[in-house]
Amino acid sequence: AQKVTQAQTEISVVEKEDVTLDCVYETRDTTYYLFWYKQPPSGELVFLIRRNSFDEQNEISGRYSWNFQKSTSSFNFTITASQVVDSAVYFCALSEAGYALNFGKGTSLLVTP
Amino acid sequence: DAGVIQSPRHEVTEMGQEVTLRCKPISGHNSLFWYRQTMMRGLELLIYFNNNVPIDDSGMPEDRFSAKMPNASFSTLKIQPSEPRDSAVYFCASSPGQGSEKLFFGSGTQLSVL
Repeated sequence: AQKVTQAQTEISVVEKEDVTLDCVYETRDTTYYLFWYKQPPSGELVFLIRRNSFDEQNEISGRYSWNFQKSTSSFNFTITASQVVDSAVYFCALSEAGYALNFGKGTSLLVTP
Repeated sequence: DAGVIQSPRHEVTEMGQEVTLRCKPISGHNSLFWYRQTMMRGLELLIYFNNNVPIDDSGMPEDRFSAKMPNASFSTLKIQPSEPRDSAVYFCASSPGQGSEKLFFGSGTQLSVL
């Protein structure tokens, strides 16, 4: 069963727009970890963030911010003032304690000038 | 510091041939993962080793696939015989602890089976 759902398959925005990538997860564990990875056109997988289930504080890193809401089982990712270099596929992933990461299908983001 | 090293970067082979993919994890990392990426199925976990021992191989598609980790610095993923549907990008990743840690990915092996 799919444990991580990224309902947005593709998103296209114009540079400088804000964009939010949605991630909904499913787990019965009380201890789990959520991740976001970026895969640019070059193909490598780049780690962005790891968050444990006990820390619901939102996080901001430059133009990136993450909103974790256990009540809705969501871990959404927002890029503020998007840039062309943000064009990539973004993956959300869930790890239940001690287990490997289970990835969503990804959201392909295209930022046009 | 060297990251996760995979070889080859690209592999083109004919159906029925044996294919071996190689991975060198980051030194000191205890866990190693093999993932497969396709358009249809996304990123799928194939197998997960911890301290060289397979912990979860439930993602290995069938008996044609096998993975080994003879020591802490080397792992192989073998497909024998290969089939066109095995065409995908195969990623190796390592992490310093058990699952749930940040994964460091290699550059991947693009496999094409004709």
